[in-house]
Formats: sequence, structure tokens, C-alpha cells
Amino acid sequence: AQSVAQPEDQVKVAEGNPLTVKCTYSVSGNPYLFWYVQYPNRGLQFLLKYITGDNLVKGSYGFEAEFNKSQTSFHLKKPSALVSDSALYFCAVRDYGQNFVFGPGTRLSVLP
Amino acid sequence: DAMVIQNPRYQVTQFGKPVTLSCSQTLNHNVMYWYQQKSSQAPKLLFHYYDKDFNNEADTPDNFQSRRPNTSFCFLDIRSPGLGDAAMYLCATSSISGSGNEQFFGPGTRLTVL
Repeated sequence: AQSVAQPEDQVKVAEGNPLTVKCTYSVSGNPYLFWYVQYPNRGLQFLLKYITGDNLVKGSYGFEAEFNKSQTSFHLKKPSALVSDSALYFCAVRDYGQNFVFGPGTRLSVLP
Repeated sequence: DAMVIQNPRYQVTQFGKPVTLSCSQTLNHNVMYWYQQKSSQAPKLLFHYYDKDFNNEADTPDNFQSRRPNTSFCFLDIRSPGLGDAAMYLCATSSISGSGNEQFFGPGTRLTVL
């Protein structure tokens, strides 16, 4: 069975500092990995995905993620955090069918 | 713009009174999903349609039903809402043309049960 872990419930960083939101996964076969962001009272919004190819994936709003097969990780990163990045972030893996498995979420707080 | 639309955004119902939430999409995606999300937790998949094929999650209560009359629309029916059913309900779509395709989410419907 596929699973996703986000080891940190909450991450706090100062504005302008780099941020990392961690994700590890367990899948059989090659993973399809995704990051989504959720603002209060809104649906999830797609940020980026890894399917194949370069391990460093660039996405929306300056976010990027690094796929590490040996560590089964897909950490989300941004070089310089903004206060407006404060939100709930979900890592997800897609199986070979239609289902997505979501991690428990990490609340990011960027402090002014 | 192509999108996923959910109506209403906020729904208040009484304990035991049936309620229907709606979702429509202009993306022409063949897969539509319904999720329940409580207080900043991960979305919990209730069921999904692959075209007309209905796929129910094993732990989805019988109280929850769904209809997909055509490609564009999907409905979530809660036959007898309980206080525990108060949550955000998210609709999402995806194309099955490639397994690497992401989901597109609607803005959600927040359900309050009085």
C-alpha cells in the first residue's frame, strides 16, 4: 500500500529565509508525487509534481521540490519565504489507478 | 477559464435533513472525486467516478451517496446528516490520459449541521 508521511505538523520561518517542508513516501514501483497548498476555506491548489526526469522540479510561486529516490523523499523548498506563503501544505502520491494518497499536512507559518 | 465549481460554498442543514452538494467542471476530465476534510486534516476520499463507473471507499458510510448524471456534473447526497458530518467537502477532477496528471480541486462546500 502506498503512504505519505509529513513528519512536521508545523513549520515556522522568518520572511526572507529559505523554507523546507518535508515529505517521505512509500510506494511500489515508480512514484508520481505532488505538492498542493490550501489556504483557509479554499480547495487544494496544485503546486508541482514529479513524474520522471530531473530530480529538481520547479513549480508555481517560486516553489521547487527535490525528488530523492534513495531517501524516498520529496521535500518542498523555496529560497525566500513570503508571509503570503503561510498555508497548509499537502504532499500526495498517485497510484497506478485514479487514487491519490495524501500526507497529513504541514502548516507553514512565515513570520514578518 | 476551465475550472471546478462547487455550490453552494456554505450549506447549513438540520440534523437528519437530507442535503445535496453539487460539483461541476469545464475541464472534461473523466475522473471526479469527493473528499471530506475536517479541521485542517488530510482530505479523506469518500468515492470517485471513473467515467460512469462508481468506486466507493470501503469505509465511506452508507449515509453518503453520489450521482454523476453526465461528464460535467457530480452530486454528493447526505441522506441523514449527523453532527459528525459537519466538514468541508471537496470535489476534484483528474484526467486519466496519463497517470502523472494532477487533481484540480473546487473551492469546497462547508457543511454545518445544526
